[in-house]
Amino acid sequence: DGGITQSPKYLFRKEGQNVTLSCEQNLNHDAMYWYRQDPGQGLRLIYYSQIVNDFQKGDIAEGYSVSREKKESFPLTVTSAQKNPTAFYLCASSIVGRALSSYNEQFFGPGTRLTVL
Amino acid sequence: QQPVQSPQAVILREGEDAVINCSSSKALYSVHWYRQKHGEAPVFLMILLKGGEQKGHEKISASFNEKKQQSSLYLTASQLSYSGTYFCGTERVRDDKIIFGKGTRLHILP
Repeated sequence: DGGITQSPKYLFRKEGQNVTLSCEQNLNHDAMYWYRQDPGQGLRLIYYSQIVNDFQKGDIAEGYSVSREKKESFPLTVTSAQKNPTAFYLCASSIVGRALSSYNEQFFGPGTRLTVL
Repeated sequence: QQPVQSPQAVILREGEDAVINCSSSKALYSVHWYRQKHGEAPVFLMILLKGGEQKGHEKISASFNEKKQQSSLYLTASQLSYSGTYFCGTERVRDDKIIFGKGTRLHILP
């Protein structure tokens, strides 16, 4: 079955440690996105990528980094510079980006809940 | 630049109707609507494009007023399964990303 997988579902880390969240899709989608979800804040865009080896900052990119070496993978690293990393992180993908993104829905993964102790 | 959703929360009895509004201060190219159940990923409901018509299926429909930069989601004769948080996502003209609102929590009582 096609879809988006995120692992792990729950992640605990000590303050000051970097942590990488995995996102893999087998939908052959060009665009991939990372969102952060906090209670009452909705979905806030961290980074997005329209094509392999290219990505753009979203609204809250500080303290995060990404890579897009393969079409199907878009890992997110939460660095120690992120002041409030505890949150629910969602990865999404869509068929195309740029001007055609309006025509296509975003498919979301199940999310990773990160808790920094 | 997040779109503003209203109301923030609503409680209905099964069979009642609900309207969720989404407004933006910027000119929009499209509006997306998603529903998220507690602890689950958001699920796509529909996209409304600039110049397009009102869309919908069964008892969930939406409209998009381009001049006012507003969209509304209509849930008719609500069912228990409609409970969840509804997000609108807006895309500005010549932009390539969606900005989501803070969500509207909908709770349907039997």
